Amino acid sequence: GAVVSQHPSWVICKSGTSVKIECRSLDFQATTMFWYRQFPKQSLMLMATSNEGSKATYEQGVEKDKFLINHASLTLSTLTVTSAHPEDSSFYICSAGLGGGTLETQYFGPGTRLLVL
Amino acid sequence: AQTVTQSQPEMSVQEAETVTLSCTYDTSESDYYLFWYKQPPSRQMILVIRQEAYKQQNATENRFSVNFQKAAKSFSLKISDSQLGDAAMYFCASNQGAQKLVFGQGTRLTINP
Repeated sequence: GAVVSQHPSWVICKSGTSVKIECRSLDFQATTMFWYRQFPKQSLMLMATSNEGSKATYEQGVEKDKFLINHASLTLSTLTVTSAHPEDSSFYICSAGLGGGTLETQYFGPGTRLLVL
Repeated sequence: AQTVTQSQPEMSVQEAETVTLSCTYDTSESDYYLFWYKQPPSRQMILVIRQEAYKQQNATENRFSVNFQKAAKSFSLKISDSQLGDAAMYFCASNQGAQKLVFGQGTRLTINP
């Protein structure tokens, strides 16, 4: 149980293009999903919290116009990297929350490797 | 700011032996969850074990167990009978009363055959 999928797993794109990453909770409904970025040999950095039916909450320093997040249903959240540039190349991971409130547990997707040329 | 600290950047253990990974945290919350996640080379984050702060009994999951010392704000992970598949980066994390997880810096665990 508590499986989260992420698509695509790998994407290579040209500078200036936009890339959409999908995150799905396969066997549970998630009111809240989270998007992280991870640099090599570092911990996860939270980018934003995505709540179903409302606007995402972005962490300080994360450009909301650059990283568009949509949480249209209880099982799907998307992250769109707009006008991607080489510095956006990274490993992006989503998670979905199960349980709610202070007793919520996050289950993670397999991640998406983005390379911007 | 809420913090989670893993003071061991790297650890190694012989296969079949026991290893303990350390984690300390800082919080003013009364109820929270603590987690250990494993990130193998595939980079998939896998939940290893979790502990609710209200529960005094230490959580166990097969070969994995925790030593939760609430007063000391310590949450260590013990891996018994280490296996080659346990080699990974291990992250300690806490939600500390909010939905957001605060992660430690990670400990890279190597298993020596």
